[in-house]
Amino acid sequence: NAGVTQTPKFRILKIGQSMTLQCTQDMNHNYMYWYRQDPGMGLKLIYYSVGAGITDKGEVPNGYNVSRSTTEDFPLRLELAAPSQTSVYFCAIRGPLGNEQFFGPGTRLTVL
Amino acid sequence: GIQVEQSPPDLILQEGANSTLRCNFSDSVNNLQWFHQNPWGQLINLFYIPSGTKQNGRLSATTVATERYSLLYISSSQTTDSGVYFCAVGSSGGYQKVTFGIGTKLQVIP
Repeated sequence: NAGVTQTPKFRILKIGQSMTLQCTQDMNHNYMYWYRQDPGMGLKLIYYSVGAGITDKGEVPNGYNVSRSTTEDFPLRLELAAPSQTSVYFCAIRGPLGNEQFFGPGTRLTVL
Repeated sequence: GIQVEQSPPDLILQEGANSTLRCNFSDSVNNLQWFHQNPWGQLINLFYIPSGTKQNGRLSATTVATERYSLLYISSSQTTDSGVYFCAVGSSGGYQKVTFGIGTKLQVIP
């Protein structure tokens, strides 16, 4: 997975709880992305970052926050979990040779 | 934004058969990737192919950018080819927004 790690692998939350999904890359790439994948669907972009200290919204940012204090880490924060946030979350980096994206293993989140 | 359509949505193959998956997109792109999502959910890069033809073993892909489509060929299919195949396209722009199709679900039976 091109050096992209995600933790945790699985998590169950109760409605209203908060949590942080971790994403770390070890290849010093500037571009990092968070996607969510709902059952039977493709991936949708939540937030992205073009470098440390720079983040911006994607297609579906509501209910999420991000930060990028270092090149290596790009955590995704859920403040008030809702059942609609039940999904699989993927972190990705943009490879060094151009536009190709590489994905981490994903975090499966269930909100009950 | 760019629309991405993949066909067929579902496909069942006998082991050893060949198949062609199609990806149509609605606008010019400078980035097109094919991914295989295995039954464990992992997304595996197959091809980065904004134009032209590439081959990797039993898999090959062709993108005709001027006609806004890409094809993924799977020859001599194996049960390990099962999963969902996604096409993802990106247009020009600093952060490379990528839009995914909803995928083709392939099941290869022995």
